[in-house]
Amino acid sequence: AQSVTQLGSHVSVSEGALVLLRCNYSSSVPPYLFWYVQYPNQGLQLLLKYTTGATLVKGINGFEAEFKKSETSFHLTKPSAHMSDAAEYFCAVRALGGNEKLTFGTGTRLTIIP
Amino acid sequence: KAGVTQTPRYLIKTRGQQVTLSCSPISGHRSVSWYQQTPGQGLQFLFEYFSETQRNKGNFPGRFSGRQFSNSRSEMNVSTLELGDSALYLCASSLGPSQGSETQYFGPGTRLLVL
Repeated sequence: AQSVTQLGSHVSVSEGALVLLRCNYSSSVPPYLFWYVQYPNQGLQLLLKYTTGATLVKGINGFEAEFKKSETSFHLTKPSAHMSDAAEYFCAVRALGGNEKLTFGTGTRLTIIP
Repeated sequence: KAGVTQTPRYLIKTRGQQVTLSCSPISGHRSVSWYQQTPGQGLQFLFEYFSETQRNKGNFPGRFSGRQFSNSRSEMNVSTLELGDSALYLCASSLGPSQGSETQYFGPGTRLLVL
């Protein structure tokens, strides 16, 4: 069975500082990996995804993530935080082929300090 | 292209009642999945439909059911509501298995409050 662990349920960074949100996955084979963002009272919006190929993935709003098989990690980063980045972020994993089920981490709430 | 739409957006019910939620996928998408989001349990997979067939089901009681129509629209039903069913119910659509798509696109959700 696949699972995702997000370290840190709450992360606070100053505006302009580096954002680092951690995600580790457990899977017998490299899976598909996703980062979604959720703003208050809204659904989930895809930030970026890793399927195959290049391990450094660039997404929307200046976010990127690097797939590291040796560390089973898929951490999300952004060089300079903006106030509009305040939201909850979810890492998710999905098996190659087969069904469409996503398994989500518990989420990380990002707060930006002015 | 319009995104995933869910109706209603908000719903208040009382214990013991039943409720039906609706989801219209992105045009051309044939797979619809449902998720429940609560503060305590986070995001949990309910079920997935493709071509009117349930392909996968999460670990929820039989009170939770769903269906998909020939136009790919989907409904989920919860019977005999319990207080613990209060949650945000999210629908997601994708092209479908073996379609080369790995991305699920989410709707805004239906927030259900059970009193």
